[in-house]
Amino acid sequence: QSALTQPRSVSGSPGQSVTISCTGTSSDVGGYNYVSWYQQHPGKAPKLMIYDVSKRPSGVPDRFSGSKSGNTASLTISGLQAEDEADYYCCSYAGSYTPWVFGGGTKLTVL
Amino acid sequence: EVQLVQSGAEVKKPGESLKISCKGSGYSFTSYWIGWVRQMPGKGLEWMGIIYPGDSDTRYSPSFQGQVTISADKSISTAYLQWSSLKASDTAMYYCARRGVVGANFDYWGQGTLVTVSS
Repeated sequence: QSALTQPRSVSGSPGQSVTISCTGTSSDVGGYNYVSWYQQHPGKAPKLMIYDVSKRPSGVPDRFSGSKSGNTASLTISGLQAEDEADYYCCSYAGSYTPWVFGGGTKLTVL
Repeated sequence: EVQLVQSGAEVKKPGESLKISCKGSGYSFTSYWIGWVRQMPGKGLEWMGIIYPGDSDTRYSPSFQGQVTISADKSISTAYLQWSSLKASDTAMYYCARRGVVGANFDYWGQGTLVTVSS
């Protein structure tokens, strides 16, 4: 199972919106509504930001939103803040043989 | 409060064995899958495998099948990741994470265990 494809980096200014894409196949992203997104600050453990494509766990700001179209999922962060600068990883369920696959990660820089 | 607390950093030599741990608290340990994720230095997250402590049902990523062993001791709410013969390429941060009750996400993560393998 190949890793999901994410852009290596994205950037935006405070207050702007950015979107991070996550492209897979019909066997993972396109086949299940089980895409999740994780935020990782340097030296810290990942944190769940979005699950089941577009749901937000309690405590995650509504500036974070998720969506999916075909084999591509997206994470949008609106009203960028300095503390949003981090690495973001998508993850998809991929069936019983190899249940989970992660994306390669995207570094978000807040200019 | 749900917590996953991992064992401390390890420094090992190639060929040595190792078992790291992940202790869950604040929830019913036997009712949630626990997964393991590798992060090599400066690299992304890789899913290694997962175990259901209730019955020890275990699944591995093909990339890690045969390379590591995942186990759990439900009597002490602890999951394990072990190697029988470490390689330098096993140097990485290893995270345990709880699979959420709904869907296929990982809702709580341990703090990570850094494993360094060097001669």
